[in-house]
Amino acid sequence: QQQVKQSPQSLIVQKGGISIINCAYENTAFDYFPWYQQFPGKGPALLIAIRPDVSEKKEGRFTISFNKSAKQFSLHIMDSQPGDSATYFCAASNQAGTALIFGKGTTLSVSS
Amino acid sequence: NAGVTQTPKFQVLKTGQSMTLQCAQDMNHEYMSWYRQDPGMGLRLIHYSVGAGITDQGEVPNGYNVSRSTTEDFPLRLLSAAPSQTSVYFCASSYSGGETPYEQYFGPGTRLTVT
Repeated sequence: QQQVKQSPQSLIVQKGGISIINCAYENTAFDYFPWYQQFPGKGPALLIAIRPDVSEKKEGRFTISFNKSAKQFSLHIMDSQPGDSATYFCAASNQAGTALIFGKGTTLSVSS
Repeated sequence: NAGVTQTPKFQVLKTGQSMTLQCAQDMNHEYMSWYRQDPGMGLRLIHYSVGAGITDQGEVPNGYNVSRSTTEDFPLRLLSAAPSQTSVYFCASSYSGGETPYEQYFGPGTRLTVT
């Protein structure tokens, strides 16, 4: 049973557009929800994270929206740029963030 | 700080061989984890540790062993390599403090092929 489901698998967005990636989780004990960005040949790097006591968190062009009742959270990338082209992973944890359960990833391509 | 280091970067094993993937961090992080990444599968947690002497299983622990004798090191042992263990392996560390608590810092990965 997949604990964190991520969609879409791939996404193509024009430069300046909004990229939206969605995730849903099953385990109500999860209390930490990060998004990671990965470039080819590199390890993932933290982009932004949220706890379930807030419904939205914004850092620059990146925003997490969190819906606790629906057990869903999403990443919005505003004014998408070619440099944002990467693979994005949502994740969840109930082990103080040490044991992350990842979604399968979304490959984002931003065309110029 | 070197951050999280992993050795080797690449490894080819024959079925049935054993080996140890090394992971070290110099940030004094209490938490360390091992993940494997396969195409279309995302990252899957193998084992993790919340401190020296304490380890626990993740999503896909079968065929792997870990130990954590020091804060700095968290080696991953493949007991008897199988082709299904062909993957890219990432080690990560984190801690509960700082501006981004629990942010996992990933190493550069080890690409393992089992023939």
